[in-house]
Parts: sequence; C-alpha cells; structure tokens
Amino acid sequence: KQEVTQIPAALSVPEGENLVLNCSFTDSAIYNLQWFRQDPGKGLTSLLLIQSSQREQTSGRLNASLDKSSGRSTLYIAASQPGDSATYLCASPQQAGTALIFGKGTTLSVSS
Amino acid sequence: DAEITQSPRHKITETGRQVTLACHQTWNHNNMFWYRQDLGHGLRLIHYSYGVQDTNKGEVSDGYSVSRSNTEDLPLTLESAASSQTSVYFCASSVGADTGELFFGEGSRLTVL
Repeated sequence: KQEVTQIPAALSVPEGENLVLNCSFTDSAIYNLQWFRQDPGKGLTSLLLIQSSQREQTSGRLNASLDKSSGRSTLYIAASQPGDSATYLCASPQQAGTALIFGKGTTLSVSS
Repeated sequence: DAEITQSPRHKITETGRQVTLACHQTWNHNNMFWYRQDLGHGLRLIHYSYGVQDTNKGEVSDGYSVSRSNTEDLPLTLESAASSQTSVYFCASSVGADTGELFFGEGSRLTVL
C-alpha cells in the first residue's frame, strides 16, 4: 500500500530564501506524483504533476523532482515571497488510475 | 470557465440527522472524489466514482453514501450524522483514470452537534 509522508510539518523562512519541501513515498512503482497548494479555508490547487517517466517539472519559480529509487520527491521554491505562505501537499495514486493518497502537508510561512 | 462547486459551504446539524453535501462540476470529468480533511489525519478518501452509475468505497466510507446519476454531480450523504463526522469535506474531479491532475472544490465545513 502506498504511503506518503511529508516532513517537516511546518517551516518558516525569511523572504527571498530558496527552499525545498520534501515528500517521501513507500512504493517505488509510483505512477505519478502531484504537488498541491492549500490556502487557509480554501480547497487545494494543483501546482505540478510528475509522471513516473519524468524526473522533474517546472512552473515559474517552482520545480518538482521525482526520484523513484529513493522514494522521494522535492518541491523547490526559488526566491520565496510572503504570498507563498500556504500548506503544500503531495499525493500519489495507490496504483495506476486510482484515487490519490495524500501526505499531511508542510505549512510554509514566509516572513517579509 | 469550468469549475467544481460545493454546497452548502457551511452547515451545522444535529446528531442522527441525514445530511447531503452537493458537488457539481462543469469540467465534464469522468472521475469524482470525496475527501474529508481533519487535523492530524490529513485528507482521507471517503467515496469515489469513475463514471455514471459507478461508485466505490474509500478508506473511511462507513456512515457515508454516494450516487452518480449523471456526469456533473456526486452528492455525499451522511445517513445518520455523528459527531465524529464533524470535518471539512472536499469534492474533487479529474478527467480520466490515467490523468492524475485533480481539481478541488472550496470545501464544505460540517459541524455535527
């Protein structure tokens, strides 16, 4: 059974810092991995989706990588801004074409 | 723009009452999902559907039911609300079984007294 873990649960950084959020998964036969952002009181917004055949995906200041052999994905945020403050969650399907299993998220706070 | 909407956004009910949370999507997605989000547990899957007349149980399906009579809607029913079902409920949809990108509604906060 796929399990998804995110450590740390919370992270605080000053504005402008580059940072990495971590996501670990137990089943290396991963189908894909998706990163989401959640603002307080809101739903989740998809940020990046990495298929198992890909090593990374980029969108603006965000870069997500996938290393199946180590069971790890990272979300790199460049030049962080206060507007990046939110909870970031990663998720992966239990198996191909099935519902996503979510990590519990990392709450990021970027101070100005 | 296509979207996914949930209603009501907030509801307070009493133990034992039946409650239905609505989810409507205009993406024309085959797959629809219901999750609940609780502190310490994260997001947990309740029920999901891969198309009309298809429904499946998720990790925490006891006390909940869904039906899929058309592509756009997947209502979630709590047959007899319990205090343990106080939570924030999220509906989500995706275009197909092999396309993982998931789109979420804004959530429905349910309080059971």
